[in-house]
Amino acid sequence: DIQMTQSPSSLSASIGDRVTITCRASQSISSYLHWYQQKPGKAPKLLIYVASSFQSGVPSRFSGSGSGTDFTLTISSLHPEDFATYYCQQSYSTPFTFGPGTKVHIK
Amino acid sequence: EVQLLESGGGLVQPGGSLRLSCAASGFTFSSYAMSWVRQAPGKGLEWVSRISSGDDTADSAYYADSVKGRFTSSRDNSKNTLYLQMNSLRAEDTAVYYCAKPRSEIDGFDVWGQGTMVTVSS
Repeated sequence: DIQMTQSPSSLSASIGDRVTITCRASQSISSYLHWYQQKPGKAPKLLIYVASSFQSGVPSRFSGSGSGTDFTLTISSLHPEDFATYYCQQSYSTPFTFGPGTKVHIK
Repeated sequence: EVQLLESGGGLVQPGGSLRLSCAASGFTFSSYAMSWVRQAPGKGLEWVSRISSGDDTADSAYYADSVKGRFTSSRDNSKNTLYLQMNSLRAEDTAVYYCAKPRSEIDGFDVWGQGTMVTVSS
């Protein structure tokens, strides 16, 4: 099975900050990596698919990059509504594993 | 509007069974592989199962090791409904269960249900 790790597990940031979250796969997953945002009590929301493609309706301050085993999600300028937990997920092979999540707190 | 609506959650004793349903609308359900994802209270997301698109799905369901042999995913394309039969339930199966639709065969999940809570406790 492919294991997914994320770093950091949590971070504190201020409005307007640039935030970068890293996701690493235990083996190459090409670009089959997706990013989600989840707020408490809500279903996850797809932000970025296949590493760098924007899901419709997602603000352009979110971007993704990477391939193989190393990926990043960047929020160029943090907005109040961006405080949430972010997960990466691979769809290269089943089981379609998720990363453990990165919680973004208000500083 | 594209929508997924789960139902069937509830309180069940350890060793018991439960069947979840996910009613789909607003898209061609039969054309998409569908997944179940769960989230234990205060924990992260865990992919549970995936069933292939189409009608011939007898040998095309995949499961997480944690549920293999106990959970069975199925679908009725005539009813636009996905199912998850959960047997031999354990306390660690307590979670919110979501059904999820992928953008395409290998893409991320762009549509999620609201989730249904399953609590396994005596």
